[in-house]
Amino acid sequence: KAGVTQTPRYLIKTRGQQVTLSCSPISGHRSVSWYQQTPGQGLQFLFEYFSETQRNKGNFPGRFSGRQFSNSRSEMNVSTLELGDSALYLCASSSAGLAGDEQFFGPGTRLTVL
Amino acid sequence: AQKITQTQPGMFVQEKEAVTLDCTYDTSDPSYGLFWYKQPSSGEMIFLIYQGSYDQQNATEGRYSLNFQKARKSANLVISASQLGDSAMYFCAMRESGNNRLAFGKGNQVVVIP
Repeated sequence: KAGVTQTPRYLIKTRGQQVTLSCSPISGHRSVSWYQQTPGQGLQFLFEYFSETQRNKGNFPGRFSGRQFSNSRSEMNVSTLELGDSALYLCASSSAGLAGDEQFFGPGTRLTVL
Repeated sequence: AQKITQTQPGMFVQEKEAVTLDCTYDTSDPSYGLFWYKQPSSGEMIFLIYQGSYDQQNATEGRYSLNFQKARKSANLVISASQLGDSAMYFCAMRESGNNRLAFGKGNQVVVIP
């Protein structure tokens, strides 16, 4: 079974631009969560999508948004990029997001904002 | 409030020796799950082990075991017979009932030396 894939792996943008990151979960998994990892703040939860609906949201500004498609693939968008958005963005998939479900992570997208 | 605390500084461990990584957590939810992940320099988060709050026995997965002390709100990871490939950051995470959001600690850096 293929693991979680994320594209692109690396991205360089400039301030003010927008970016879209993609995540394909493990086949059969319906829950996709996104996390931001920075040296200063560590790993922080962005949001979770389940069956095309946002089910949970972390404490991030509205510039961060996402969506999920009917095949469970998810995209995350960051508009009006700021230097502080430079981070490793990780996506995780789980089958139904229930207690005990493992969350499997992708390799991440490393975003650099110049 | 910080929910997961990992306070150990970076650790050097001799190959083939055991290492214990400390994790304490804070929650008022009686139903929760605790996870340990490994993150090598490549960035991918690798799931290691899971412990449910109602599990009667400590979880084990190969060389990984979890020393779960519920009353003390402690979930320490024990890696037996360390290998060079165990060099990585190790993260403790918790998920409370009703959502699929993982709260992560700051991580422990482990370097295994031959």
